[in-house]
Amino acid sequence: GAGVSQSPSNKVTEKGKDVELRCDPISGHTALYWYRQSLGQGLEFLIYFQGNSAPDKSGLPSDRFSAERTGGSVSTLTIQRTQQEDSAVYLCASSLNRGPGTEAFFGQGTRLTVV
Amino acid sequence: GESVGLHLPTLSVQEGDNSIINCAYSNSASDYFIWYKQESGKGPQFIIDIRSNMDKRQGQRVTVLLNKTVKHLSLQIAATQPGDSAVYFCAERGGTSYGKLTFGQGTILTVHP
Repeated sequence: GAGVSQSPSNKVTEKGKDVELRCDPISGHTALYWYRQSLGQGLEFLIYFQGNSAPDKSGLPSDRFSAERTGGSVSTLTIQRTQQEDSAVYLCASSLNRGPGTEAFFGQGTRLTVV
Repeated sequence: GESVGLHLPTLSVQEGDNSIINCAYSNSASDYFIWYKQESGKGPQFIIDIRSNMDKRQGQRVTVLLNKTVKHLSLQIAATQPGDSAVYFCAERGGTSYGKLTFGQGTILTVHP
């Protein structure tokens, strides 16, 4: 597609439920990132995929969070047993490769509200 | 731990003035830096980048300066316009996790007409 697409744009869920957030990266981009942004805060790194390499999961805050990337394209971020502190905007980005000089393009984000 | 941070959380300027947004980084192994602009309700948008083998790079109305000696990055916006009002983030890549972009907290730029 023309840009990084995320769905849904907004998600309201009850505490304790599981949610899945989807990211469609730019076609041909081998690197994909997930970030979390709380209100008025910076971007918190969650996970990074690069080609067929093992993902960098060092930013996932707990084992309730997981992500996968199927076929090197679409990615799904799953949050199990959601908590109120999980409420945030979840941003996905992709880039052509992981080297320096390759900018990351961001989607519009999914705003998750846990009530 | 390693981090990227900003000196000023907010900056207010008059339309037509030049703006300077600063960023300090702590990872001396970082080799690539990016400035992003984020408008309300949108994802961050790329503004300009610079590699560590450079100390200055210019774009349209924007200039990024890199001082590796003191690990400092700045974004200069010339003739600031109301449309420049947004949150600006610096980000760095490199070090132990080559592909991971680490972001600073952000500076809110407000341009008054």
